[in-house]
Amino acid sequence: EVQLLESGGGLVQPGGSLRLSCAASGFIFTTYAMNWVRQAPGKGLEWVTTISSSGGSIYYADSVKGRFTVSRDNSQNILYLQMNSLRVDDTAVYYCASEYQAAYWGQGTLVTVSS
Amino acid sequence: DVVMTQSPLSLPVTLGQPASISCRSSQSLVYNDGITYLIWFQQRPGQSPRRLIYTVSNRDSGVPDRFSGTGSGTNFTLKISRVEAEDVGIYYCMQGTHWPLTFGGGTKVEIK
Repeated sequence: EVQLLESGGGLVQPGGSLRLSCAASGFIFTTYAMNWVRQAPGKGLEWVTTISSSGGSIYYADSVKGRFTVSRDNSQNILYLQMNSLRVDDTAVYYCASEYQAAYWGQGTLVTVSS
Repeated sequence: DVVMTQSPLSLPVTLGQPASISCRSSQSLVYNDGITYLIWFQQRPGQSPRRLIYTVSNRDSGVPDRFSGTGSGTNFTLKISRVEAEDVGIYYCMQGTHWPLTFGGGTKVEIK
């Protein structure tokens, strides 16, 4: 069974940093691209970033480019999202999702940016 | 960026009746490989999104066959042949052809 388990969310002040993790199991992590998608409270889904299976190709939404960094540890089956210079409008539930077509999703982790 | 426009915003449906959600893209979603990367998701209240349909019309494992996806180019539709109570939630289309990936704004399906 595919499982994606996000962690690392919490309350942070504007300008602060957080690192999210997504632990994957139940599929061959090393062969799949991975995504981060976020959802602000009461709002729709917003794609954040995608990293290819090897990590050699990475794409970012303009809204996070230069502030967020996606990475993966294929030896540990973990996806990361380093978030710097956080803004109030980054407040959202952050989901990791597997494959370019987002076949499987985790339960999400809430990031709240507030003073 | 490719803009994905869903309609309607809200869809009240009687149990057992059909429902149809439209998704239009601002440009063709046919990729260089000839495949159209249009995906449909369901998000039930309080839950994570769940993929229902990929590449326009392929149903995911475990998805009831009352869900079907059709369309081509820039015009796509998700149909529920007979709505059940468990179908309540918000439905999103997403295009996976062009970077950045983009979602439609969502359609809320509720029971009348």
